[in-house]
Amino acid sequence: GENVEQHPSTLSVQEGDSAVIKCTYSDSASNYFPWYKQELGKRPQLIIDIRSNVGEKKDQRIAVTLNKTAKHFSLHITETQPEDSAVYFCAATSMNTGFQKLVFGTGTRLLVSP
Amino acid sequence: EAGVAQSPRYKIIEKRQSVAFWCNPISGHATLYWYQQILGQGPKLLIQFQNNGVVDDSQLPKDRFSAERLKGVDSTLKIQPAKLEDSAVYLCASSSLIDEQFFGPGTRLTVL
Repeated sequence: GENVEQHPSTLSVQEGDSAVIKCTYSDSASNYFPWYKQELGKRPQLIIDIRSNVGEKKDQRIAVTLNKTAKHFSLHITETQPEDSAVYFCAATSMNTGFQKLVFGTGTRLLVSP
Repeated sequence: EAGVAQSPRYKIIEKRQSVAFWCNPISGHATLYWYQQILGQGPKLLIQFQNNGVVDDSQLPKDRFSAERLKGVDSTLKIQPAKLEDSAVYLCASSSLIDEQFFGPGTRLTVL
């Protein structure tokens, strides 16, 4: 089955710096790669996603890149702000029983210091 | 649009007791998911419904967990009997035919 690895597990940056979180996946059939942000005690919320027919997608200060050959994708946050502090999860689709499901990474705790 | 609703938000029980969680997905979403999120880990899929049919329950501990989605709308997840290791946040999510999943606020279960 699909396995998604995520690094680093924790990331501390200064406000204004950039942050990069990387994920690798194992299922070559994966075609959808969302990123979720989860603040303490709250639900995961989708912040950006990318499909396998696209190499890069950007939305204001966040961007995601996908390398299908290497089976890895990354989240890039520029000009980080304290409110970016949260746990970030990557995920990749896995096909089982004819239906797609998401397999999540283990999460990256991002701390942005003022 | 209204989001995914879950109840209760918190539940504390003793081991070997039973507990049930309820989820109301976003209106019109055919697919419903139950995830278990243990502290410090990513969500793990327990069961996935397409309308009222189960399409994936490969990671559901069927000796103690059960779930149903009557009429293809609301869903309940039950644990009977609970173990200490079941302490976690149980998240419900729903999606339409596209990929994006919307999560509910979760139920935090503590088993003593």
